[in-house]
Amino acid sequence: GAGVSQSPSNKVTEKGKDVELRCDPISGHTALYWYRQSLGQGLEFLIYFQGNSAPDKSGLPSDRFSAERTGGSVSTLTIQRTQQEDSAVYLCASSFLAGYPISYEQYFGPGTRLTVT
Amino acid sequence: EDKVVQSPLSLVVHEGDTVTLNCSYEVTNFRSLLWYKQEKKAPTFLFMLTSSGIEKKSGRLSSILDKKELFSILNITATQTGDSAVYLCGYNTDKLIFGTGTRLQVFP
Repeated sequence: GAGVSQSPSNKVTEKGKDVELRCDPISGHTALYWYRQSLGQGLEFLIYFQGNSAPDKSGLPSDRFSAERTGGSVSTLTIQRTQQEDSAVYLCASSFLAGYPISYEQYFGPGTRLTVT
Repeated sequence: EDKVVQSPLSLVVHEGDTVTLNCSYEVTNFRSLLWYKQEKKAPTFLFMLTSSGIEKKSGRLSSILDKKELFSILNITATQTGDSAVYLCGYNTDKLIFGTGTRLQVFP
């Protein structure tokens, strides 16, 4: 079956603009996770959804970052008033078992490379 | 503060060599450890370890966890060029904390 998909694959935006990143998890996966990976850095956890609710938003780096998930499926990560330090690869993952902390295999999407100029 | 340290940061070997990647941690409320292989963008799952001293194997890859000494190792035997990637170690506590990874390059 289809894996996790993300769009766009690449996004270049000007500083101060808003961007939306989309994640389509594997069908039937109840848990969805957003991570950020800056150049040369490890994966940084941002937020996790169980169904449509986000029990843990503590990883969001600032109030310019928000995320939502609708219908227990697609999720959107929104970054308002983008800054150059927001440049990174944003990865989405989903897992079959709903639950946090993560106990089971996560399937990652290909990521969105965001460049803020 | 919870943290994960991976070593070495990078490793260059020839095909056929055996490599050992290290992951040490200082975390509270440990639950499990995960190893991922990242070749381009999306990491792919390798192992999840929860119990100390039990080796997990998948082909030429194996991993073991030592909860007393707070570390894990990932072994790759008879390396191939296709093993070239960044290997990420993550600890599952109240959050999932990843190290910065070990970049492995395998040359023919």
